[in-house]
Amino acid sequence: QVQLQESGPGLVRPSETLSLDCTVSGGSMRTYYWGWIRQPPGKGLEWIGYISHSRTTIKNPSLKSRVTMSLDTAKTQFSLKLTSVTAADTAVYFCARVASGYDTELTNYYYYMDVWGKGTTVIVSS
Amino acid sequence: SSELTQEPAVSVALGQTVKITCQGDSVGNYHAAWYQQKPGQAPMLVVYAKNNRPSGIPDRFSGSTSGNTASLTITGAQAEDEADYYCNSRDSSGNHYVVFGGGTKLTVL
Repeated sequence: QVQLQESGPGLVRPSETLSLDCTVSGGSMRTYYWGWIRQPPGKGLEWIGYISHSRTTIKNPSLKSRVTMSLDTAKTQFSLKLTSVTAADTAVYFCARVASGYDTELTNYYYYMDVWGKGTTVIVSS
Repeated sequence: SSELTQEPAVSVALGQTVKITCQGDSVGNYHAAWYQQKPGQAPMLVVYAKNNRPSGIPDRFSGSTSGNTASLTITGAQAEDEADYYCNSRDSSGNHYVVFGGGTKLTVL
């Protein structure tokens, strides 16, 4: 059974870089995408982006300029970096396995997050 | 703002049926998925690709789509179904971006 675990600092100073890792256990990183989602306190889910096993990245346009994602299959780990953070980046950050499918009637791909990490709280404060 | 619109809150009597909706242009073109989130926990996938359930999800959860509205139906709601529910799909631009609805808080009375 695949499990994901986020790790990283819980406190980041404004203007600095938030760095998180997600360790994958119990399964292969091939054939899936690997994503990041965040949830500000008391608010809904916000998609950050995902990376494929071939290291193609797709990012939320609103965060694109500040986000870097990477993947290390040898460590079964993928990572997120978010630069120039502000208080608005305070949130619970989740990593997730992203599955995709192709619907032959709609002739389109769809994506869904079928395995999630427990989440890690990151506070941006001086 | 989200491209997918959900009702902020819905309530249902114990044992009754409730439908939670997710409206947006992209829903008509890309399958939606639904997630349940309880306080202090990570979201959990309950329905994907129109009406598929992951292993372990009770069959009282079902999904459907009509036009630009995706729906999650809980038939015979249980107390443990009280949670926030989120839909997701691709965005309507045609890019492979993911979008979430704003979430619906379900109260089981």
